[in-house]
Amino acid sequence: GAGVSQSPSNKVTEKGKDVELRCDPISGHTALYWYRQSLGQGLEFLIYFQGNSAPDKSGLPSDRFSAERTGGSVSTLTIQRTQQEDSAVYLCASSQNQGFGETQYFGPGTRLLVL
Amino acid sequence: GENVEQHPSTLSVQEGDSAVIKCTYSDSASNYFPWYKQELGKRPQLIIDIRSNVGEKKDQRIAVTLNKTAKHFSLHITETQPEDSAVYFCAASISNNNDMRFGAGTRLTVKP
Repeated sequence: GAGVSQSPSNKVTEKGKDVELRCDPISGHTALYWYRQSLGQGLEFLIYFQGNSAPDKSGLPSDRFSAERTGGSVSTLTIQRTQQEDSAVYLCASSQNQGFGETQYFGPGTRLLVL
Repeated sequence: GENVEQHPSTLSVQEGDSAVIKCTYSDSASNYFPWYKQELGKRPQLIIDIRSNVGEKKDQRIAVTLNKTAKHFSLHITETQPEDSAVYFCAASISNNNDMRFGAGTRLTVKP
């Protein structure tokens, strides 16, 4: 079946502009995660949704970052007043439910470049 | 919170040799440990995982071992092939938490 999809695949923006990244999880998956991967680096946890609620926002790097999920499906990650250090690949993942170590399936990522 | 450390950061082996990547974690409550393989420019993909109720799991040329007492787990790849070349990430999470923490990654190069 269809996997996790993300859009756009690439985004170039100017410093100070807002950007919105979209994630479509696997159908039926209730848990959704956002990660950030800087060039050549590991995966940095940003935020996790169970259904529409986000019990853990601890990974968001600053108050310029926000995320929402409506209808228990699509999620958007918004970065306001982008900075050059926000440049990274933003990965979304989903898992079937919140259980005993549920496998997370990753999307292809959105490559964000802030000039 | 959980802290995952991964070693080595780079590993180069000859085709046919074995490769071992090690990770340690800090939170004794962690009970799920997946390994992801990320090829250049692609998304991370799960290759094997282990839960805390077992000490070892094998899948063809790949195996993972877990030592809960020492809080470390390792990925073993035998008979390496050039297509095994990628960055490998370990991770740890606590059930019903899903705050998965990743290691920094190991860049494995298999020389033909």
